[in-house]
Amino acid sequence: GAVVSQHPSRVICKSGTSVKIECRSLDFQATTMFWYRQFPKQSLMLMATSNEGSKATYEQGVEKDKFLINHASLTLSTLTVTSAHPEDSSFYICSARTGQGSGNTIYFGEGSWLTVV
Amino acid sequence: DAKTTQPPSMDCAEGRAANLPCNHSTISGNEYVYWYRQIHSQGPQYIIHGLKNNETNEMASLIITEDRKSSTLILPHATLRDTAVYYCIVFTSGTYKYIFGTGTRLKVLA
Repeated sequence: GAVVSQHPSRVICKSGTSVKIECRSLDFQATTMFWYRQFPKQSLMLMATSNEGSKATYEQGVEKDKFLINHASLTLSTLTVTSAHPEDSSFYICSARTGQGSGNTIYFGEGSWLTVV
Repeated sequence: DAKTTQPPSMDCAEGRAANLPCNHSTISGNEYVYWYRQIHSQGPQYIIHGLKNNETNEMASLIITEDRKSSTLILPHATLRDTAVYYCIVFTSGTYKYIFGTGTRLKVLA
């Protein structure tokens, strides 16, 4: 299957600082990427959908000024957690879609563990 | 959005077939059913997807009922490494989203 890579896999940052997570589709072009967060023992929660070259669409309750998403190219999307606080500590996962049709598959990155201290 | 309902947990003996059910009674005619699994602390892994016909690949088989209101993922010979949370997802073409439900925690027993 297609490969999606996330970096970093783990990051610890101080409260009040910002941290950036990268998501790359390595062997295909992804016009659409999705960002999820997951708390321990819970399911994945969709945060936002990003389309290359346009503004991301955020889910209800997700602060767009806190979780900045940039999808500047067909192979790269970034999530920046601004002014991070301990409650932002979570597992963040990106996914990328291989095409526009309904039958196209999304593939997930390995996830990024964020710990805010 | 089409929603899915799955049993919260299942056990399966190693070497036996694991049959994981999913209800998606509000699915629309052009919406696909996808299955993913997540092993602890990793990103979800794609397994299989289908529209109306049964599908099979090297990992699993997907059986979709004729009315498309439910489906079953079959792992033909479960191994200990198949222990994971399995998610059934209906891709919502109207909103263009993949929404995860609570999934089924499958435990394969030696």
